[in-house]
Amino acid sequence: EVQLVESGGGLVQPGGSLRLSCAASGFTFSSYWMHWVRQAPGKGLVWVSRINSDGSSTSYADSVKGRFTISRDNAKNTLYLQMNSLRAEDTAVYYCARETPVNDAFDIWGQGTMVTVSS
Amino acid sequence: SSELTQDPAVSVALGQTVRITCQGDSLRSYYASWYQQKPGQAPVLVIYGKNNRPSGIPDRFSGSSSGNTASLTITGAQAEDEADYYCNSRDSSGNHPHYVFGTGTKVTVL
Repeated sequence: EVQLVESGGGLVQPGGSLRLSCAASGFTFSSYWMHWVRQAPGKGLVWVSRINSDGSSTSYADSVKGRFTISRDNAKNTLYLQMNSLRAEDTAVYYCARETPVNDAFDIWGQGTMVTVSS
Repeated sequence: SSELTQDPAVSVALGQTVRITCQGDSLRSYYASWYQQKPGQAPVLVIYGKNNRPSGIPDRFSGSSSGNTASLTITGAQAEDEADYYCNSRDSSGNHPHYVFGTGTKVTVL
C-alpha cells in the first residue's frame, strides 16, 4: 500500500525548533518530488516547501524561507522538515505529499501532524 | 507570489450539478489540480491535468480550464460529496518551483 506517515509534531514555545518526519512506503520514494503543506485550524491549505527527487533542489514559501529546511534521506525513505524560530502563526497541521511525475499534482498525502506554537 | 481565488461556499441539491471555479494568473501557464477535504481528514486528489481522475474517483467529477479560470464540476452530486474543495497549481512567479492553493470552497449538498 502506498503510504505517507508524518510524525514529530507537538507543542513548542515561540522561538523554538521542531523536526517533522514523513515515512514513505509502497512506492519508489527516490523517484518523486515531495512537499510539505500546512493547514492552520479552521483555515485553508498552504504550500510550505518542496524538494526534488535527489534532494539537490528545494524551494520555500516566503512565510517560512530562512526558518524552515526541507530535506530527505532516500536510503531511509524519509522526508524531513526542520522548523526553527517558530512563531504562533506556524501553528497548523502539517501534511507531507507526493507530487505526480507530470501535471504538478499532489496524489498521495499523509494523515498530518499537529504543530502548536504557544507559550 | 500568485493567488488562486475561489468562492467561499456553494450549495447544490442532491443529484444536481455544481461548478466550482478557481481564478488566478498561474492558471494561464499551468493546469489546476483539485482536492476534496472532509472534516478531520487529509485532502484527496480528485482532478489533475487537463481532466484526469485518479483511480477510485467517480466519473461525476470533471475538470476544465479557460484562460485564467479552472473549474471543477460535480454532475449528479451525492451526499458524500459534501466537503471543502481546493484548487492548486504551480506558481508562475519566481525561479524555483513554487506552488499555490486556492482559498477553498465549501460545498453543501441539500
